[in-house]
Amino acid sequence: KQEVTQIPAALSVPEGENLVLNCSFTDSAIYNLQWFRQDPGKGLTSLLLIQSSQREQTSGRLNASLDKSSGRSTLYIAASQPGDSATYLCAVRLAGGSYIPTFGRGTSLIVHP
Amino acid sequence: GAGVSQSPSNKVTEKGKYVELRCDPISGHTALYWYRQSLGQGPEFLIYFQGTGAADDSGLPNDRFFAVRPEGSVSTLKIQRTERGDSAVYLCASSYQRGSLTDTQYFGPGTRLTVL
Repeated sequence: KQEVTQIPAALSVPEGENLVLNCSFTDSAIYNLQWFRQDPGKGLTSLLLIQSSQREQTSGRLNASLDKSSGRSTLYIAASQPGDSATYLCAVRLAGGSYIPTFGRGTSLIVHP
Repeated sequence: GAGVSQSPSNKVTEKGKYVELRCDPISGHTALYWYRQSLGQGPEFLIYFQGTGAADDSGLPNDRFFAVRPEGSVSTLKIQRTERGDSAVYLCASSYQRGSLTDTQYFGPGTRLTVL
């Protein structure tokens, strides 16, 4: 059974810092990995989707990398802003199966001015 | 265009009652997922539809939970004889199709279910 772990569980940083959020998974036979953002009381917003054949994806200040062999992905946030405060979740889908995603518990990020 | 919508946004019910939660996916999306999210947890998969059929219902916790998608668009999650442990946020997501490069899931805002 795929297990997804996110470290750290919570993070509080001053504005302007560069951040790294970690996601690890136990089964490397994945189809893709997706990073989401969730604001309090809201649904999830997709940030980046990395297919198993890709190494990284970038969108604005966000960069996500994938190392399948080691079962890891990182989400890099450059020049953090208070508006980045949210919970960040990663979700992994296994290849060759029903493509059902397994989510981590998320990293709760607070960026203070 | 419109995103995934869910209704109601909040539902408070008493133990033992029946509830229905509705999801309207993005138009043209053939795949639809239901998840349950408890406080401090990531979303937990419940059921997945491809078109009108339930392609995978392995996440439904027991036979009190049932979901339908009769016309391949709107879906309803039904919970019978609700229990306090059913209290959670129920999320719906849709995607264009399974197994394609465009298969990004788009989530609705969720329905917060509270069972008293």
